[in-house]
Amino acid sequence: DTAVSQTPKYLVTQMGNDKSIKCEQNLGHDTMYWYKQDSKKFLKIMFSYNNKELIINETVPNRFSPKSPDKAHLNLHINSLELGDSAVYFCASSQGEGRTEAFFGQGTRLTVV
Amino acid sequence: GESVGLHLPTLSVQEGDNSIINCAYSNSASDYFIWYKQESGKGPQFIIDIRSNMDKRQGQRVTVLLNKTVKHLSLQIAATQPGDSAVYFCAETRSGYALNFGKGTSLLVTP
Repeated sequence: DTAVSQTPKYLVTQMGNDKSIKCEQNLGHDTMYWYKQDSKKFLKIMFSYNNKELIINETVPNRFSPKSPDKAHLNLHINSLELGDSAVYFCASSQGEGRTEAFFGQGTRLTVV
Repeated sequence: GESVGLHLPTLSVQEGDNSIINCAYSNSASDYFIWYKQESGKGPQFIIDIRSNMDKRQGQRVTVLLNKTVKHLSLQIAATQPGDSAVYFCAETRSGYALNFGKGTSLLVTP
């Protein structure tokens, strides 16, 4: 069973479009995250949710809107996509905030053309 | 800003040798330091962590050393195997905060 699953795995879209990435975890964790990994492999936290409540929003443009319908899901919606949004987006979960062991999904490679 | 970073972007070792991956950090308020491994096409995977009040912790074939005096962290992998080839990230965290990752080091294990 996949612990943290994200869909789609690949996403190619044109500038200006709106797209969503879905994430689900079956680990029963309280905390979920979105990370962005750029072309140089640098991983940066975007959002953190704990029990469906937003905890961290790291200076992400408001074109990015996370939504957590329940503890097991954290989706990422992106409006008006820009070239610079091209990256790999990782969803992760952990049992509580500030825990060292986070479980990551396989990533969604977003390419904006 | 405060950050974690790595000394070397790439490291090539022969199979069976020991590997040492280094990391410098600047955030003295970190509670934990952590190592993650990322294989090609996959998400990062937890390897080992060390609490900030410790200086050494051992796992299976891995040892993490923390030198708070010089703000340096290292990951030692014993008897490196081809399956260890990956990008390794150091990270830090404080209670209530998400992981703060440094730049990765690519480890290549040659036969």
